[in-house]
Amino acid sequence: AQRVTQPEKLLSVFKGAPVELKCNYSYSGSPELFWYVQYSRQRLQLLLRHISRESIKGFTADLNKGETSFHLKKPFAQEEDSAMYYCALSGITGGGNKLTFGTGTQLKVEL
Amino acid sequence: NAGVTQTPKFQVLKTGQSMTLQCAQDMNHNSMYWYRQDPGMGLRLIYYSASEGTTDKGEVPNGYNVSRLNKREFSLRLESAAPSQTSVYFCASRRGQGDNYGYTFGSGTRLTVV
Repeated sequence: AQRVTQPEKLLSVFKGAPVELKCNYSYSGSPELFWYVQYSRQRLQLLLRHISRESIKGFTADLNKGETSFHLKKPFAQEEDSAMYYCALSGITGGGNKLTFGTGTQLKVEL
Repeated sequence: NAGVTQTPKFQVLKTGQSMTLQCAQDMNHNSMYWYRQDPGMGLRLIYYSASEGTTDKGEVPNGYNVSRLNKREFSLRLESAAPSQTSVYFCASRRGQGDNYGYTFGSGTRLTVV
């Protein structure tokens, strides 16, 4: 079974402060991990994919297999970062690959 | 390129009515998915189709059926709607595992069952 845990439902930070959104996962194989962002209940947009190791909008995330974590970080929060963030794991099952989401963290950046 | 298109965008049903949510993708993706999004619960997988001609249950399949009509289209049917099915429904697609662009999502269908 594959599972994703995001322990914080809401994270409030001040503009310019560092941000860390936590994500832990459980999966027996080699995971493929993503961060998606959703603004005002619009469609989900891919933010990061661990394989690509790139930085999008100043966000980065490193896969730590020892701690089974994939935390999302940004050194300086901006007001436009306020959104819902979902961590997700893609794993291979007998029926093909499927994407499992965490319950999401609402990030609120205050002035 | 439209990506993933969902219809309708909004729908209100009475308890017991049936309806079909439509999803189509124009990216030649092999896999397609249906999720529901509820406050505090994130997105939960209802059904998925790894390739044309196959479908599998996800976490919350009860009360739903699906049809992979062809490679482009993947529909979700509610045979007898219940208030517990009030939710936002998202369709997604992907070429396959390891695809460089991850999963692509539609804009959602907001369904209310009264």
